[in-house]
Parts: sequence; structure tokens; C-alpha cells
Amino acid sequence: SYELTQPPSVSVSPGQTARITCSGDALPKKYAYWYQQKSGQGPVLVIYEDNKRPSGIPERFSGSSSGTMATLTISGAQVEDEGDYYCYSTDSNGIQRVFGGGTKLTVL
Amino acid sequence: EVQLVESGGGLVQPGRSLRLSCSTSGFTFGDYAMNWVRQAPGKGLEWVGFIRIKANGGTTEYAASVKGRFIISRDDSKSIAYLQMNSLKTEDTALYYCSYRTGQFDYWGQGTMVTVSS
Repeated sequence: SYELTQPPSVSVSPGQTARITCSGDALPKKYAYWYQQKSGQGPVLVIYEDNKRPSGIPERFSGSSSGTMATLTISGAQVEDEGDYYCYSTDSNGIQRVFGGGTKLTVL
Repeated sequence: EVQLVESGGGLVQPGRSLRLSCSTSGFTFGDYAMNWVRQAPGKGLEWVGFIRIKANGGTTEYAASVKGRFIISRDDSKSIAYLQMNSLKTEDTALYYCSYRTGQFDYWGQGTMVTVSS
């Protein structure tokens, strides 16, 4: 079955740039989506269709995709950005959906 | 205001069945595919499956981990999506969410907890 691979953890100091990667064979052809999940809360969409930001999401969140890797970038990460981040996409047939394993972002 | 409310969770023995409901309001339910996603305690998000709209056949797709055991259905007249879970295993223990997305708008319920244990 199709898989998306993320690093288990990323740690940055406040104000630094955090980059979270997501690797998958179908990403050259399929969009990546990114979710933020804070402790005890439901998932929140922060990036859709590779690089689009939903209204209400701070401008410091951006997304990109090149080849088999999608990247979520948080420019000037803040303490309130701590949480788990998941990429989401589909297989090459557009049928099976999948989440990456999640990346725990620590900002301290 | 868009609302999705899951219900039907609880404690169930291995091998038994359970049906979850996702009651919705605030949007034209029949116009959107509906997804089910779960999250085991302390673990990541796992896509369970989805059901297409009637205009696209109302067909379903499932994750390999639940295929053949879980069935997703929908009642457009009631704006409800269902997740019928059969032959439950301890590893199906999770918080189950329903969701849908249209462009930048992405909606989730609060989830309903399913615990499979003897």
C-alpha cells in the first residue's frame, strides 16, 4: 500500500524556520495537504494543494512540492506552532488516501 | 454553520460489530464525498475510507487495514454518513472522525471513541 514518509520530529528555536518534509512516490502527480494537530485537539488544515494557504492560517505557513517530496515551511516559528504535523495525499490512481506518520514540531 | 457530529462509539468486544453515524448540517450533504479518519491513542492519523457522491456512483474506497470488514454508506435524505464496523479487532481502538473538504474549506467532527476490548 502507498506510504508517505515524514521525519518523526523537528525542533527549532522561536523565530527560526522549521521545515517538515514528506516523501511519496506519487507526489509528482498528486497534491499534498498539511494538517496541524495540537495536543487534545482535532486536525486543522494549514496547506492545501501543495502550496495554498486557507484563510485564517498565518502567512508564516507555506508549502512547496518538488519531485517526490513535499515540504511544509514555517518561517519564524512561534511557540504556539508546536504540535504534530501530518502530510496527506493520494496514491497515483487517486483512490487510496494516506496520511504520513506525523512529525512532532518542538519550538523552544 | 457547518456541523459534523459523530456518534455510536463505545466499548465493544473483539469480533463484534458497531455502527458509527456522522450527522451533518449547514451544507448540501449530497454534494460532497465523506471521509472517515481514525486516530489510535497516542498515534497518528489514519485514513479509513470515503464514499463518493451519488452523481459519481456513491462508491466507496477503503484502507487495506479495514477493507472487507468496514462499510461506509450515506443517507442523503438525512444528511448522515455511516461507518459499519464488523469483525472488530483490538487494533481498531481509536477516535473516529468524519470529515469533508472543498478547496480550502475542511471540516471535521469532534470524533467518537471506539474501544475494542474483552
